[in-house]
Amino acid sequence: GAGVSQSPSNKVTEKGKDVELRCDPISGHTALYWYRQSLGQGLEFLIYFQGNSAPDKSGLPSDRFSAERTGGSVSTLTIQRTQQEDSAVYLCASSHRERGNTIYFGEGSWLTVV
Amino acid sequence: AQKITQTQPGMFVQEKEAVTLDCTYDTSDPSYGLFWYKQPSSGEMIFLIYQGSYDQQNATEGRYSLNFQKARKSANLVISASQLGDSAMYFCAMSYSSASKIIFGSGTRLSIRP
Repeated sequence: GAGVSQSPSNKVTEKGKDVELRCDPISGHTALYWYRQSLGQGLEFLIYFQGNSAPDKSGLPSDRFSAERTGGSVSTLTIQRTQQEDSAVYLCASSHRERGNTIYFGEGSWLTVV
Repeated sequence: AQKITQTQPGMFVQEKEAVTLDCTYDTSDPSYGLFWYKQPSSGEMIFLIYQGSYDQQNATEGRYSLNFQKARKSANLVISASQLGDSAMYFCAMSYSSASKIIFGSGTRLSIRP
């Protein structure tokens, strides 16, 4: 596609439920990233994919968070047993490892845990 | 450790004036890239400009220029002739050769006064 596509754009869930957030990167981009941004804060790195493998998952905050990528394209970020502190915008980005690895972002998935 | 610092949490500028947003960085990697992103109130992250550590000249993209001072480890963003639509959060970011992720500063909220 023309840009990074994320779904859902907004999600309200009850505490303790599982959620899945989807990212469809720019066609041909081999690298995919997930970041988290809490209200009024900066960007917190979660995980990086190169192809289908995740050489850097150092930012995942707990074992409730997991992510996978299939076919070198779509990625899913799963949060199990959601907590209120998980409320944030989850931003996906992709790059083609050009221009020093410039990454292009999707519009984000706004997650609210009530 | 790698670090990006933005010391201006907020700035107010009169329309049509030039504005400089400060960014300093710290890395021991010889090869790195510096980026600026704009985040309007709608939430999307928009790539503005990139500077590589080995680039001899300062990067420019339309009204945006990056004042790269390698010895001082600074990468300030200069916006010429500011417009009302420039009101947004601005994030400085860095990639470095020893890692795949890009790290972000805490951001500067720029408000343009008519």
